[in-house]
Amino acid sequence: DTGVSQDPRHKITKRGQNVTFRCDPISEHNRLYWYRQTLGQGPEFLTYFQNEAQLEKSRLLSDRFSAERPKGSFSTLEIQRTEQGDSAMYLCASSSTLGTGGPEAFFGQGTRLTVV
Amino acid sequence: AQTVTQSQPEMSVQEAETVTLSCTYDTSESDYYLFWYKQPPSRQMILVIRQEAYKQQNATENRFSVNFQKAAKSFSLKISDSQLGDAAMYFCAYRSAFGVVFGTGTLLAVQP
Repeated sequence: DTGVSQDPRHKITKRGQNVTFRCDPISEHNRLYWYRQTLGQGPEFLTYFQNEAQLEKSRLLSDRFSAERPKGSFSTLEIQRTEQGDSAMYLCASSSTLGTGGPEAFFGQGTRLTVV
Repeated sequence: AQTVTQSQPEMSVQEAETVTLSCTYDTSESDYYLFWYKQPPSRQMILVIRQEAYKQQNATENRFSVNFQKAAKSFSLKISDSQLGDAAMYFCAYRSAFGVVFGTGTLLAVQP
């Protein structure tokens, strides 16, 4: 296992289109997070899962955003009817609340979304 | 809600010198973790150091150390013998049972 992987790395889409991103966490990690990061800012929390359960969603997350983690492994983040303001880097991270490993989150390289 | 504040948007240090990055946080919890992450330009975010709130001893990782003041809710990062490769955005982060919250970051420049 080489860490958290995200696909695609870059996505350019036209305004109004739907996009879906995928995240594969570190295999033994039970928690998975999605963040959004704009240039020069810190990661902004969107949502997180513990196993397959979505435990928290940010109030900033509009109804156009939906995330799933159906089998408690990989996760997808879908944005419907994209807007220019959705342009950002979308980061996925995973961590473990179990006995093995530390509490820190490990990040993927992110998916950079550009809405034109 | 937990918040993390980094009051220094940018810092600069001479190579081989020491620099301290500040971080404060707000929480009503007693059990939590604190982290410093490093994000080089266009690169992946990586963990620099972590601190468990129940531990009084400050964490140290090679040239990186923290000054954790629980009562003051302060968690600063000291980088000793700064190297050119230390240039990056540094984020302070707080983890609770809820999740991980990040500060807005400090951009560190290292001058040769």
